[in-house]
Amino acid sequence: EPEVTQTPSHQVTQMGQEVILRCVPISNHLYFYWYRQILGQKVEFLVSFYNNEISEKSEIFDDQFSVERPDGSNFTLKIRSTKLEDSAMYFCASSLSLQQWRYEQYFGPGTRLTVT
Amino acid sequence: GIQVEQSPPDLILQEGANSTLRCNFSDSVNNLQWFHQNPWGQLINLFYIPSGTKQNGRLSATTVATERYSLLYISSSQTTDSGVYFCAVGNSGGYQKVTFGTGTKLQVIP
Repeated sequence: EPEVTQTPSHQVTQMGQEVILRCVPISNHLYFYWYRQILGQKVEFLVSFYNNEISEKSEIFDDQFSVERPDGSNFTLKIRSTKLEDSAMYFCASSLSLQQWRYEQYFGPGTRLTVT
Repeated sequence: GIQVEQSPPDLILQEGANSTLRCNFSDSVNNLQWFHQNPWGQLINLFYIPSGTKQNGRLSATTVATERYSLLYISSSQTTDSGVYFCAVGNSGGYQKVTFGTGTKLQVIP
């Protein structure tokens, strides 16, 4: 069964550094998402991406964040200057193929980001 | 935006017991998913169930869309069922986010 993959599984960085989290969505999906989960809290929506542009973003997704689909397979989340409060699990998800009109979202295993 | 509430927030079960987890939502939905978050933090997709009933082994789920709730049933619980169970719903068009509930933390003791 196709799955969403994410790398790295764990990233440790120092405050103020830039990080790039990488995701490979399911190949025939059209919509891509990033969510985050601060330890002990619920999963929160960050951004959705369709047709090479952001379709919706939350108030969390400020100017420090950006997303990109640099080629036909990867989907990245960049945090320009990390803060301690960016420490969280970041999940990538994808959904909706033309072959199977379902709104179900498929989540990757997550990248645990630790900012020190 | 849509509000999602889950109950109970915490649940302790003896191995072999049955349980029902509830998810209430504040608006009509076209996507409802149940996830199990394992101890490593991974979200395991249990059900995609915007309406109706589905079963998968010891787990089953029912969504009554007209009354805006969904139930997840766990029968004959095992210690490996421990973790946090999340309900997530979506109600907009194609590029829709999902909104997660706060989860039910389940602990199954031997």
